[in-house]
Amino acid sequence: GAVVSQHPSWVICKSGTSVKIECRSLDFQATTMFWYRQFPKQSLMLMATSNEGSKATYEQGVEKDKFLINHASLTLSTLTVTSAHPEDSSFYICSARVASGGGYEQYFGPGTRLTVT
Amino acid sequence: GENVEQHPSTLSVQEGDSAVIKCTYSDSASNYFPWYKQELGKRPQLIIDIRSNVGEKKDQRIAVTLNKTAKHFSLHITETQPEDSAVYFCAASRTGGSYIPTFGRGTSLIVHP
Repeated sequence: GAVVSQHPSWVICKSGTSVKIECRSLDFQATTMFWYRQFPKQSLMLMATSNEGSKATYEQGVEKDKFLINHASLTLSTLTVTSAHPEDSSFYICSARVASGGGYEQYFGPGTRLTVT
Repeated sequence: GENVEQHPSTLSVQEGDSAVIKCTYSDSASNYFPWYKQELGKRPQLIIDIRSNVGEKKDQRIAVTLNKTAKHFSLHITETQPEDSAVYFCAASRTGGSYIPTFGRGTSLIVHP
């Protein structure tokens, strides 16, 4: 099956600094990737849809200037959390959309746990 | 937009029993319904999915049923084992167009040995 990797798997940063998270499709090309945020014992909250070569589409309530998304190639999308604050601490998961059987399937990365101190 | 409701939020069963998780959706145009299993601290993994042109799909101990008229679909796990313990998410989407799946809130399944 399709493999999606994420780096780093966990990161601790200080308030006010920026953190970049990478999402890679390892054995396929992904024109579309999704970024999710997940709080403990809660569901996946879609933050934005990342499209290769174009601007990301952000969900309502997600600050695009704070969560910068760049999808510069067919195998890499990055999420940069700028001027991080403790409330940004969360589990961030990316996924890639893969064409399958006339439709699409979704494969998730392993997630990145961000802790802002 | 699509709205997916999932029940129950927590399900506790004894090893060997069956477990059923139910989801309803609102958008009649949704035609793809995957189920994901997420173990603690790990990524969600696709375990089974169903498209709107079939009513039931089975893969060993897991099965999914779909009622398009009532707009609900269910996950059935038989002969549960402790390793089935995880959070299960349902989702609904349209396979055409932008394909942005909407997830349910998740069900925490606990299988007691």
